[in-house]
Formats: sequence, C-alpha cells, structure tokens
Amino acid sequence: ETGVTQTPRHLVMGMTNKKSLKCEQHLGHNAMYWYKQSAKKPLELMFVYNFKEQTENNSVPSRFSPECPNSSHLFLHLHTLQPEDSALYLCASKAEGLSETQYFGPGTRLLVL
Amino acid sequence: EDQVTQSPEALRLQEGESSSLNCSYTVSGLRGLFWYRQDPGKGPEFLFTLYSAGEEKEKERLKATLTKKESFLHITAPKPEDSATYLCAVLRDSGYALNFGKGTSLLVTP
Repeated sequence: ETGVTQTPRHLVMGMTNKKSLKCEQHLGHNAMYWYKQSAKKPLELMFVYNFKEQTENNSVPSRFSPECPNSSHLFLHLHTLQPEDSALYLCASKAEGLSETQYFGPGTRLLVL
Repeated sequence: EDQVTQSPEALRLQEGESSSLNCSYTVSGLRGLFWYRQDPGKGPEFLFTLYSAGEEKEKERLKATLTKKESFLHITAPKPEDSATYLCAVLRDSGYALNFGKGTSLLVTP
C-alpha cells in the first residue's frame, strides 16, 4: 500500500449504530487530519493530530470521536449520528518540515439512515 | 476571517480550448496556497503549492500563478481527462487547517 489509505470506502449506518473509520498513511508523516466534505460545501476540517497529540478540534459534535494511536494510524469513531452527517470523510497527512502540503486519502462515503 | 472564493463554479471547454480558473483569497498572513484536483467519489489529488506572490509552477498542461490577492490555474489545450473539480485552499500563518473554496467543476468535451 502506498500513500494514504482509508477503510471502509463506503458505509451505511443507522442513527443508533456505532462504527469506526480507519485511516493509515504510508508516507512517514507526523500530522494527520480528518476533513468532512458535504455536497455543495467546501471541505471542513474536523480534527488535527501532530505526533499523536490532538492540536485542533474544530467544534465538532461529540458523536464524532477521533483516536490516533500512533503517527501512522487515525480513527474516527461514530455513534448516534444524524442524517445530516452523511458526507465524504477524508483523511490527510503531512510531513514535519518546510513543506505544508497535505496528502489526502480516497475518503469514506458515509450514509446515515 | 479567511475567505476563499473560486470562479467560475462550472466551466465547459472544448478539447484544446485553453482557459483559466480563478481563486480569490483573503487571509491574515498567507503561509501557502494549494491547488488540488478531485475526481467524483475520490479524495483530492495534490497539484501545486505556492508560497509567495509572483511564484509560478507548471505540470503538463497546468500552470498555477499567485498574486497577493488571487491565484490562477491556467489550463492549456485541455483534454477530456482533465475533467474534474479543481479545489483551491489557503493555509494561514500559525494555522493547521486548509481553508478550501467550493471548487470549479471543469468539463472538457472532445
């Protein structure tokens, strides 16, 4: 595997379910991000982790819970979601240093029924 | 508050018909401006990073330029495979988040 991978690619869940999204980066990066992309809206940052420490939580509801066990893996735990949470969830990573470029995974398409 | 506005929202070109996409931005201290390409159902694919006014970068049929208020993505002699949504984003000094525009949806017809 190369780059940034995300699983699952598609997820359908009911409002009472609990599920988790997984992201793995194979680039040796130190920072990882969760973004949300809803139809007709710009990408919105949800969480940032630098060296496994959460450095930003962009006022995200508590039904979204991130976890970063090491600098290569990032999870987004989901529980009691709402239909308006249906979106494409994107993971990104960035290297420490002069480059500010973030590299994105393919995303998880989430549908909440 | 940072603002990123992309225009046009949608653009249809004939194959070979060159054009430019615009990204106007307002940010207090620009650390970098980024262009990505996104195909339907996929994650954004990195194209360019620009750090200072006057900087230009090229890749195949694409050329990105930057001024203090806007960036242009010039597409020369586009092909149907260039059809995608092109996203612009800015990163402010001391910030972590990329602030994205809504994108320009480009369709290139044969």
